[in-house]
Amino acid sequence: EVVMTQSPATLSVSPGERATLSCRASQSVSTYLAWYQQKPGQPPRLLIYGASTRATGIPARFSGSGSGTEFTLTISSLQSDDYALYYCQQYNNWPPYTFGQGTKLEIK
Amino acid sequence: EVLLVESGGGLVKPGGSLRLSCAASSFTFNNYAMNWVRQAPGEGLEWVSSISSSSTYIYYADSVKGRFTISRDDAKNSLYLQMNSLRAEDTAVYYCARYNDYAAFDVWGQGTMVTVSS
Repeated sequence: EVVMTQSPATLSVSPGERATLSCRASQSVSTYLAWYQQKPGQPPRLLIYGASTRATGIPARFSGSGSGTEFTLTISSLQSDDYALYYCQQYNNWPPYTFGQGTKLEIK
Repeated sequence: EVLLVESGGGLVKPGGSLRLSCAASSFTFNNYAMNWVRQAPGEGLEWVSSISSSSTYIYYADSVKGRFTISRDDAKNSLYLQMNSLRAEDTAVYYCARYNDYAAFDVWGQGTMVTVSS
């Protein structure tokens, strides 16, 4: 099973600043890496797939990078709507599909 | 609008059974693999089960293997999860999610809550 590790667990960033979230896989997942955003009481929403492709309707301030075992989600200028939980997921070596434990992005 | 709507959750005693449903609309359901993902209260996301288009391939997480059964009815555009021998640790919101190949899990339902408690 591929273990996904996200860091940090909590990230405090001021509005308008840049946020950088990390995700590491225990073995290579190529670029089969997705990022999801989840707000309280809502389902996850796909932000990024293929490590770097924005999903439909996702603003350009969200970008993803990386391949193999190291991945990054960057939010270039934080808006109030961006404070949420973020999960990475690998879908290269499955079953099982595996998710990271999440990074909580909070207002500084 | 592409939509997934789960139903069937509720309160059940340990050892009991429950059947979840997920109704799909506004896309060609039989073209897609489908999944169940769960989230225990205050916890992260856990993949539960997958079923390919045409039901050719079925997979389960080790935590539910032998107790849960995934199925689909393409004529009804519906996905199901039969859950037997339920345990307290199965308490979670259960989401159905569409798998769109390289686009990962691109559509999610709102979820249905399952509580296993005596």
